[in-house]
Amino acid sequence: GAVVSQHPSRVICKSGTSVKIECRSLDFQATTMFWYRQFPKKSLMLMATSNEGSKATYEQGVEKDKFLINHASLTLSTLTVTSAHPEDSSFYICSAGGLAGEDTQYFGPGTRLTVL
Amino acid sequence: AQSVTQLGSHVSVSEGALVLLRCNYSSSVPPYLFWYVQYPNQGLQLLLKYTTGATLVKGINGFEAEFKKSETSFHLTKPSAHMSDAAEYFCAVSPNFGNEKLTFGTGTRLTIIP
Repeated sequence: GAVVSQHPSRVICKSGTSVKIECRSLDFQATTMFWYRQFPKKSLMLMATSNEGSKATYEQGVEKDKFLINHASLTLSTLTVTSAHPEDSSFYICSAGGLAGEDTQYFGPGTRLTVL
Repeated sequence: AQSVTQLGSHVSVSEGALVLLRCNYSSSVPPYLFWYVQYPNQGLQLLLKYTTGATLVKGINGFEAEFKKSETSFHLTKPSAHMSDAAEYFCAVSPNFGNEKLTFGTGTRLTIIP
């Protein structure tokens, strides 16, 4: 089946530093990847949609200069949280779609970011 | 525009009892509907989905859901709850293909009472 991985699973960083989170589709080519943010005991909020080789489309209210998304290949998308602050602490989840013949997104296991 | 409403942020059922998690949606186009399960500190796993065709959809782990257009509902059920069903459940809708942007409900935490 389709597997999506994220790395790292957990990261703790100091305020002001930047953190990169990777999302990989391991056994299929993902034409589209999505990045979500989940606050404690809350639902998932879509941050942005990225298509391979083009700029990401950000949802309203999401700072594109703070949350840099790159989708350089059909199997890898990265989310970089720049100049992280404690309020950026959250659970970040990616999903990938585009598996041939299917219309389903496959979700990664998530990355827990804690900014001190 | 689309939206999803999950009634009941917390649901508790006894082991062996019926599980019913409610989901109502709003969509301007025929929707694709999904149920996902999330275990603590993990990502989302697809339970089942409705795209077209048969309105009763069977998923993994004994779950099923029925698409009722007249009621704009897609409630999730399981005849007999198991302890391992304890998790967070999310209903989601997309405008057409599941490869499009998903709009999630606020989730329902299911607790199983031994």
